[in-house]
Amino acid sequence: LAKITQPISMDSYEGQEVNITCSHNNIATNDYITWYQQFPSQGPRFIIQGYKTKVTNEVASLFIPADRKSSTLSLPRVSLSDTAVYYCLVGDIVGGANNLFFGTGTRLTVIP
Amino acid sequence: SQTIHQWPATLVQPVGSPLSLECTVEGTSNPNLYWYRQAAGRGLQLLFYSVGIGQISSEVPQNLSASRPQDRQFILSSKKLLLSDSGFYLCAWSRPPAHEQYFGPGTRLTVT
Repeated sequence: LAKITQPISMDSYEGQEVNITCSHNNIATNDYITWYQQFPSQGPRFIIQGYKTKVTNEVASLFIPADRKSSTLSLPRVSLSDTAVYYCLVGDIVGGANNLFFGTGTRLTVIP
Repeated sequence: SQTIHQWPATLVQPVGSPLSLECTVEGTSNPNLYWYRQAAGRGLQLLFYSVGIGQISSEVPQNLSASRPQDRQFILSSKKLLLSDSGFYLCAWSRPPAHEQYFGPGTRLTVT
């Protein structure tokens, strides 16, 4: 059973870069790391996914060290609209759905 | 483009009553489909996943069941609801072999 841990909450001022780390010590070889954003009473929204090293898209970057036991979601220059809960998901459906694990989520509050 | 629908958006049901939640996906074929439950202020718990019509895998013992009568339709059911079934139910899809999941708007179920 993989245990996925994230900080419960974080605060940041507008315009700052925010880094949210997810720990997944028991990650398996085939597991991918995916990050989602969720607003109240809405379904999670896909942000970024990676397997190793660094991945960047138009909204975020994902840093994964060589041992893959953690990952860091980086949000550049956050705005008030980035206030949400951020979840990391570790696993792979190919390995069976019991290999899909969500972290408990990090509540990010962006302060004006 | 692909879209995912869930209905109803909200539902209040008495204990012991049946349940049927529906999820449909448009704009893709042969998706993997998922049902999650999210308790208030908590993370997501995977309940069922399906890789094809009639193929359902369950991840946790419960009084819920799922069915996939058509390629892009996923149904969550219960014969008799319990108070503990209250929560936010989310349907998601992914396009194999890609791993990222896309979530629907969710159904908020309150069992009274």
